[in-house]
Amino acid sequence: ETGVTQSPTHLIKTRGQQVTLRCSSQSGHNTVSWYQQALGQGPQFIFQYYREEENGRGNFPPRFSGLQFPNYSSELNVNALELDDSALYLCASSLAGVRGADTQYFGPGTRLTVL
Amino acid sequence: SQQGEEDPQALSIQEGENATMNCSYKTSINNLQWYRQNSGRGLVHLILIRSNEREKHSGRLRVTLDTSKKSSSLLITASRAADTASYFCATVGVSGGYNKLIFGAGTRLAVHP
Repeated sequence: ETGVTQSPTHLIKTRGQQVTLRCSSQSGHNTVSWYQQALGQGPQFIFQYYREEENGRGNFPPRFSGLQFPNYSSELNVNALELDDSALYLCASSLAGVRGADTQYFGPGTRLTVL
Repeated sequence: SQQGEEDPQALSIQEGENATMNCSYKTSINNLQWYRQNSGRGLVHLILIRSNEREKHSGRLRVTLDTSKKSSSLLITASRAADTASYFCATVGVSGGYNKLIFGAGTRLAVHP
C-alpha cells in the first residue's frame, strides 16, 4: 500500500460527456502526476501539479485539465470524452524539492470506459 | 510516445529460475526506475538507479545500467509464482524542472509453479 488513493475505481461514460477523477496524495507529498495507460501499453504522462500549479504537461489536448488543492489532493478532468480516452488513469504522488526524492508512489488507478 | 522498449515483451519461466528483462531508452537520463504492475492495477516502485551508478541490488532484484548503450536490465533471482506481473522501466530526463516518468511498454512475466 502506497497511501495514495483514487476514486472512483471504475467508471463508464458515453462519448461527449465529461468526467472528473480524484486522487489523494500520500501524506507529506507536495506533487501529483497523472498518467494514462491504454490496454497493453505503458503509462503515458499527462501532467504534473506542484503546489497547486501545473508544473509540466505531456502530449495531451487541453480537454484534459487538472487541479491540485491546498491539501495536495488532485483532480483530473476530461471534457468531450472520446472512445480513445478509455484507459486506466493513474495518479502518483512524490515529494519535490528534496534531493533523492525521485520515487513516485502510485495509486490503484481508475478504469474509465467510454462507450 | 514511449521512451524506449522492454525486451522481451513476454517471458514465461518456472519457479526457482531467474528472470531477466531488458530496457532500452533514447535520451539522456537523470535516473531509471523499475516498476511492477499486477493485473492492470497500480504500479509498485521496485528500484531506482541513478545515471552515475552501474549496478544496484534490492533483495532478489539486481539492476544494471549502461548509459553508453542507453540500456538497463532487471534480474529477478529465484523467481516465485507471486512475481507474476508486468514490469516496466521508466526514465527521468535531465532537462526540465519536473520529474516526469517516461515508461516503456513493459514485459509480462509469468512464473509457473
